[in-house]
Amino acid sequence: GQQLNQSPQSMFIQEGEDVSMNCTSSSIFNTWLWYKQDPGEGPVLLIALYKAGELTSNGRLTAQFGITRKDSFLNISASIPSDVGIYFCAGQLDYGGSQGNLIFGKGTKLSVKP
Amino acid sequence: DSGVTQTPKHLITATGQRVTLRCSPRSGDLSVYWYQQSLDQGLQFLIQYYNGEERAKGNILERFSAQQFPDLHSELNLSSLELGDSALYFCASSPGGGFQPQHFGDGTRLSIL
Repeated sequence: GQQLNQSPQSMFIQEGEDVSMNCTSSSIFNTWLWYKQDPGEGPVLLIALYKAGELTSNGRLTAQFGITRKDSFLNISASIPSDVGIYFCAGQLDYGGSQGNLIFGKGTKLSVKP
Repeated sequence: DSGVTQTPKHLITATGQRVTLRCSPRSGDLSVYWYQQSLDQGLQFLIQYYNGEERAKGNILERFSAQQFPDLHSELNLSSLELGDSALYFCASSPGGGFQPQHFGDGTRLSIL
């Protein structure tokens, strides 16, 4: 099936640092979404991107839909302890009609530096 | 709170059994999606319903089935359960289908003993 390659798999942050993660695919996607998942909870939508080249911010989070439509990145500026969690990218292919299932990356686990 | 409600939160059962997971979508959302999350496979799409009709199928086993009722809530039925079916099962909903953001419930954790 379709695959999204998300990197890095994990990273450690210190409060105040900027964080960057990305997703790439061999397929062209029509939509890119970024979710965050905390332990015991479902993924929470952070940012949705709909057009190639689109750059969207949500507070300290910024995400971009790559020009080739095969990649996306998420930046977190000035990280804080509550940013810890697992971040997932997800994409939607163009199926037409009302079909809209998401394909997910494997996640980037953000932890606090010991 | 995403507005998507899933019950039960936890389910423990034995191999060979059958269980039903329930999902109530956000108010006004017509599409319901089911996903399975496991450590080795990550988040995998299972099936989508839109306004009561099946719209898309992913890697859903034949032992699994789903339906969406007239009040738009959905149920995922898992039968002849195997150890490998232990996972988190998430429901998500969106207003329509297609390119609309999906909001997830908090999942049902299924443990097969």
